[in-house]
Amino acid sequence: DAGVTQSPTHLIKTRGQQVTLRCSPISGHKSVSWYQQVLGQGPQFIFQYYEKEERGRGNFPDRFSARQFPNYSSELNVNALLLGDSALYLCASGVPPGAGGYTFGSGTRLTVV
Amino acid sequence: TQLLEQSPQFLSIQEGENLTVYCNSSSVFSSLQWYRQEPGEGPVLLVTVVTGGEVKKLKRLTFQFGDARKDSSLHITAAQPGDTGLYLCAGASGSARQLTFGSGTQLTVLP
Repeated sequence: DAGVTQSPTHLIKTRGQQVTLRCSPISGHKSVSWYQQVLGQGPQFIFQYYEKEERGRGNFPDRFSARQFPNYSSELNVNALLLGDSALYLCASGVPPGAGGYTFGSGTRLTVV
Repeated sequence: TQLLEQSPQFLSIQEGENLTVYCNSSSVFSSLQWYRQEPGEGPVLLVTVVTGGEVKKLKRLTFQFGDARKDSSLHITAAQPGDTGLYLCAGASGSARQLTFGSGTQLTVLP
């Protein structure tokens, strides 16, 4: 069975640009969460979507947005990139949110130069 | 803002030694999860503890949730080089069961 898949695995962007990251949850999982992990720190919660509705939002600026599609895949968009947005972006899927823990993808490594 | 403090931040031990990692908060969580993360990979769930005072064992790993559901510990017996990695505790809260992560414990087990 395929796990949580994220694309792209790596990308480099310039300050001020926009980026879209993609995530496909495990088949049957309806909840997708996004986390940002800066080097040397634990992941920080950005968004959670369940059944295509936003269920939670972390303390991130409005430059960050996300959506979930009818097939439960999700996109995370970041506008007006800053150097500080450089991080590993992780997607996690679950059956009801949090029940039994989450399965994380391998992440997208974003570097802003 | 909920915070999880994890200690120690770094731990380097010899194969065969025992170790304990601590995770403490002033907040109550509905559950607490422990993950292990390898370089370049996402965190992998080790265990979820839900009930205050709960103890779970996974081979050489023992997880405990505090009675007040604010703290947890991970104990590894007879550590092996394969246990090397970043260990993260995470508390679930809110209707979204969003996770608040600790800053992690980087464990290195030397052969």
